[in-house]
Amino acid sequence: KNEVEQSPQNLTAQEGEFITINCSYSVGISALHWLQQHPGGGIVSLFMLSSGKKKHGRLIATINIQEKHSSLHITASHPRDSAVYICAVKGNTDKLIFGTGTRLQVFP
Amino acid sequence: EPEVTQTPSHQVTQMGQEVILRCVPISNHLYFYWYRQILGQKVEFLVSFYNNEISEKSEIFDDQFSVERPDGSNFTLKIRSTKLEDSAMYFCASSDFGTGLTGYTFGSGTRLTVV
Repeated sequence: KNEVEQSPQNLTAQEGEFITINCSYSVGISALHWLQQHPGGGIVSLFMLSSGKKKHGRLIATINIQEKHSSLHITASHPRDSAVYICAVKGNTDKLIFGTGTRLQVFP
Repeated sequence: EPEVTQTPSHQVTQMGQEVILRCVPISNHLYFYWYRQILGQKVEFLVSFYNNEISEKSEIFDDQFSVERPDGSNFTLKIRSTKLEDSAMYFCASSDFGTGLTGYTFGSGTRLTVV
């Protein structure tokens, strides 16, 4: 069983739709990261969370430590949001444990 | 905005050859990492490096792999005798965990193809 599970695996949306990507984890964590990976392969850090909620532009990330669950929301989605969104957790060691990612395609 | 720089962006090598992947982490970061992503799979941890030594390594990071910080700015991953299954995207990352908790910064990756 994967320590970090994401859903859905694939997601298509029309421009302007509200999008939610979910992440559940089974290990104790000190922080959870949401990352974005574009087709060229590069990884960009979007958020690092240890509690509550963070917002950056049209992106919102929330985490519920008790339920071991986090969500990434995109409001007013745009075709340029098309990418793979990855949840990764940091336990009590240095390393990140990655989920398998959610491939998002937003159509005009 | 500070960046983690990786070179080369793409390397093709013959099986059995040695390769060195190079990274320049963010200058005031203290923790350095290598991850890899085989095509179509999730990103996997290889090794973390702090205070000039390996702090953690995965099962993947066997005797064929080594890391070095030769000159205080570069951080390298060496694969001594490449195998076909080493073909992957290799990401370097750095962080300031313990000093600022601002998270990770990843490089843009080196795509290694072993033929």
